[in-house]
Amino acid sequence: ETGVTQSPTHLIKTRGQQVTLRCSSQSGHNTVSWYQQALGQGPQFIFQYYREEENGRGNFPPRFSGLQFPNYSSELNVNALELDDSALYLCASSLGGDTQYFGPGTRLTVL
Amino acid sequence: QKEVEQNSGPLSVPEGAIASLNCTYSDRGSQSFFWYRQYSGKSPELIMFIYSNGDKEDGRFTAQLNKASQYVSLLIRDSQPSDSATYLCAVRGKGAQKLVFGQGTRLTINP
Repeated sequence: ETGVTQSPTHLIKTRGQQVTLRCSSQSGHNTVSWYQQALGQGPQFIFQYYREEENGRGNFPPRFSGLQFPNYSSELNVNALELDDSALYLCASSLGGDTQYFGPGTRLTVL
Repeated sequence: QKEVEQNSGPLSVPEGAIASLNCTYSDRGSQSFFWYRQYSGKSPELIMFIYSNGDKEDGRFTAQLNKASQYVSLLIRDSQPSDSATYLCAVRGKGAQKLVFGQGTRLTINP
């Protein structure tokens, strides 16, 4: 157990809808990174939040956005969902961004 | 050329033998190297990290790093059926926020 929690566990949406995924970081960690993992692939970096500020972004469109709260928990928001957004969304907690510990993930299915 | 490359496998190893997993990376400035284990339907679990050239041992696991050859490997001694999983290699560049993952190697330990 890493102490990183994510909700919900599973989610089914339709194309065009919006979704919010949540992550609580491990106690003492101030950095949250989000990754998207398609079936059969390694995780792809979406963005990272450090002390409530975005601290790096991967090659994802602006409809992927996020927030980090004062308690270091975080949200990932995806607007205008597309079929290709179906994936496992992973939140990783760390102290300053180096050794990252993953939560259980949210499985998103877009129909 | 992919930033981090792994043989996707499947790699089949008899129980009790040594499993050897390999990874190459393209960014010579990379500083931190990680191995994650991912069981089917679960999130990645950190099993080893290494920063310096040479070997690092933790129980049955040994990580090996050769920065000159841009190569990192994971050895699993006395392989057990419970080691059957996908192993993800991840690399973090100097000053970078993100982990870059390979696509993973699927390992099967045969009783």
